Amino acid sequence: DADVTQTPRNRITKTGKRIMLECSQTKGHDRMYWYRQDPGLGLRLIYYSFDVKDINKGEISDGYSVSRQAQAKFSLSLESAIPNQTALYFCATSDLAGESSYNEQFFGPGTRLTVL
Amino acid sequence: SQKIEQNSEALNIQEGKTATLTCNYTNYSPAYLQWYRQDPGRGPVFLLLIRENEKEKRKERLKVTFDTTLKQSLFHITASQPADSATYLCALVISGGYNKLIFGAGTRLAVHP
Repeated sequence: DADVTQTPRNRITKTGKRIMLECSQTKGHDRMYWYRQDPGLGLRLIYYSFDVKDINKGEISDGYSVSRQAQAKFSLSLESAIPNQTALYFCATSDLAGESSYNEQFFGPGTRLTVL
Repeated sequence: SQKIEQNSEALNIQEGKTATLTCNYTNYSPAYLQWYRQDPGRGPVFLLLIRENEKEKRKERLKVTFDTTLKQSLFHITASQPADSATYLCALVISGGYNKLIFGAGTRLAVHP
């Protein structure tokens, strides 16, 4: 079973629609992240969370919101989707346990979102 | 401005040769640097971590170097195989408060039989 799962895997929507992307993890990690990936730009951090009571904006949070419903669940919402939010979205987790894996991040399979 | 640069052009090499990928950065002082592998349609997978006070790190056929003076990391795959074909991402970890990962755009490696 996958340790970090994302739903849906693919989504096509229209401008102005509200979209929620969901992430679940079974790794028991406290830290969770949302990134978007665009061709030629690499992964950019949208939001991150240390634990269920901690939410922080990343590099490109405008137009997005998140909810940390439980240690294992972290959702990303686009309140009113626009075409330039078309991208590949990844959820990731990490833990500080173990010097050799310090801040190693474990990624989900990604959600391909297209906004028409 | 702060930048992380990886060669945007694909690297094509022959099976059995050593692949060398470059990660250059400016205006960062990373505490350490990580390398990830990403296959098409999948999330990145962690490969190696190297700290600022380490010059070199090895894991099986992989070797990473980190030169904080040149602001450069090199990632080597020796005895490359077609199965090594993927995109390789470098990521800087900036210490202080929260240790964020800053990713490069990645370099695609194609190993030909």
